[in-house]
Amino acid sequence: DQQVKQNSPSLSVQEGRISILNCDYTNSMFDYFLWYKKYPAEGPTFLISISSIKDKNEDGRFTVFLNKSAKHLSLHIVPSQPGDSAVYFCAASARRGAQKLVFGQGTRLTINP
Amino acid sequence: KAGVTQTPRYLIKTRGQQVTLSCSPISGHRSVSWYQQTPGQGLQFLFEYFSETQRNKGNFPGRFSGRQFSNSRSEMNVSTLELGDSALYLCASSDRGDYGYTFGSGTRLTVV
Repeated sequence: DQQVKQNSPSLSVQEGRISILNCDYTNSMFDYFLWYKKYPAEGPTFLISISSIKDKNEDGRFTVFLNKSAKHLSLHIVPSQPGDSAVYFCAASARRGAQKLVFGQGTRLTINP
Repeated sequence: KAGVTQTPRYLIKTRGQQVTLSCSPISGHRSVSWYQQTPGQGLQFLFEYFSETQRNKGNFPGRFSGRQFSNSRSEMNVSTLELGDSALYLCASSDRGDYGYTFGSGTRLTVV
């Protein structure tokens, strides 16, 4: 039972354009969501998070949007840079501070020059 | 400050053997979590330790176990290895209040 789904295994975007990565979840108990970025042979790196009491959170070039009614969140990267090429994981938890995260399968983002 | 350190980086074991992986968290972090990453299942939560106590456990068989020491270092053990245990095992640490907890680079375990 995949509670967190990233339906696009891969995404290719032109440098300088917007990258939009999507994530859907099924468990209505989830109320905290995170995005991680992973390069090969490295552990995931935390990017940005959002609580269910918000619908948007920004950090520099990264913005996460949360639509609770649709159980959907998205990560926007603007502008996209070659160094953004990596696998991006969406993760969810039932409460902030809980250490058990449920991850999506990941989306491989490739930024083309 | 130093990041999360996992040893060894790579390991090859034979079916039926047992293996112990080690994780040293960021200094001051008392919470350590373990995850298994495989191509088919993605990243899956194994367990979490806080102040030497297991606080949470994922849906893995009893062959997977762990412990945490008083200095917050953690080990995980897998007994009676199966081919399907081949995976990247990731450790993450946090100070419990910080949600964006930090992952190590992982231990790549191959069971042959």
